[in-house]
Order: sequence, then C-alpha cells, then structure tokens
Amino acid sequence: DIQMTQSPSSVSASVGDRVTITCRASQGISSWLAWYQVKPGKAPKLLIHAAASLQSGVPSRFSGSGSGTDFTLTISSLQPEDFATYYCQQAKSFPLTFGGGTKVEI
Amino acid sequence: QITLKESGPTLVKPTQTLTLTCAFSGFSLLTSGVGVGWIRQPPGKALEWLALIYWDDDKRYSPSLKSRLTITKDTSKNQVVLTMTNMDPVDTATFYCAHMRGSGPFDYWGQGTLVTVSS
Repeated sequence: DIQMTQSPSSVSASVGDRVTITCRASQGISSWLAWYQVKPGKAPKLLIHAAASLQSGVPSRFSGSGSGTDFTLTISSLQPEDFATYYCQQAKSFPLTFGGGTKVEI
Repeated sequence: QITLKESGPTLVKPTQTLTLTCAFSGFSLLTSGVGVGWIRQPPGKALEWLALIYWDDDKRYSPSLKSRLTITKDTSKNQVVLTMTNMDPVDTATFYCAHMRGSGPFDYWGQGTLVTVSS
C-alpha cells in the first residue's frame, strides 16, 4: 500500500494568511494526487486533481504543486470559509489511500 | 448536475451487518469509466477508502476490510449498495459515497451518513 503522510496535522492561521500543507507519498505516484476540503456535516469537496489542476468552481487562491513523492497545497490568502480539514489522496494504485488530514483553524 | 445521497441505519448493534445505499442522479453507472466508491471517517479521524464499483462491474476493496465488504450496483435504480458484516464499535463512522471517472479523483460526494455501532 502507498502511505500518504501529511504535515502539519494542524495549523493556526488568520484571515489573509498564506497557508501551505504538504503531503508525502511512500513511493512515487507521478501526479496521481488529489486534495479535498472537509467540513463537519458537509459533503467533502474536491479542490485539486492531478496534483496541480484546479477543480472547476474552486477559487484560484487554492493551488497545488509537486510530483513523484512530494506535494503541496497552498491557500494564498485564507478566507473565513477556508477553515476546515484538508486531505490528500493518491489515485495511482489500489488501495486508494488518504493522508491523515490537516486542520486549518484560527 | 451530479448528486449522491447515502441512506441506512444510524445505529447498529455489534456483530450485525450494515447495509448502506447510495442513491445518485446526474450520471449513469452504465457509462464507460464511471465508478462509485465508499469512504468512511470515524469521529475525529481521517478519511478511509472502503470500496469502489465501476460501470463494468469491476469491484475493488480495501484489503484490510475485504472479507467484510460487498459492493453492488443496481443501474435501473441508480443505486449502489455497500454491506459490511460483523460490525464493531470501532466501525462507528460517517460513511460517504462518491462519484469517480476513470482513474480520477472522487469529484462529487454525498453529505454522508453517521453510523453508530453500540449495544
């Protein structure tokens, strides 16, 4: 199985801050990586696919980069609605695996 | 517009079998490349992929849970059903179903259903 390790597990930030979350795969996954935003009681939301492709309708303050084993999700200017937990997921091979999550909080 | 909605019991007893239904609209599971997956999230913990079924009835399971899981589809009803046997309190979680195309990500998700396992 491909293990996905996210860091940090939580980050305290303020509105307007730049936030960067990292995700490391235990083996190379090319660009087979997605990022999701999860809020309590809401459907998870796909933000980024193929490591760096912004999903339709997602604000441009979200961006993704990386390939191989190291990836980042960046929120360029944190907005109040961005306080949530973020997960990476590899789609290179089964079993599909998620990172441990990063909670972005005030 | 793609939508998915999970339904099933909110409370099950230990050792019982859980049956969850994902009702979807806006796409067909007869379309080449389309899949529907199940993912769960225990309270305060991370997302965990459970199972996936494709348009051609190809099925994939989490190896750690494979012996307990069965995923099926009913294309006439636009539904996907997940069964999980021998439920335990550690299986308490919010269960989500989600749409996938090809080898892509889960691009549409349901809101999830919380299942508690307790006697």
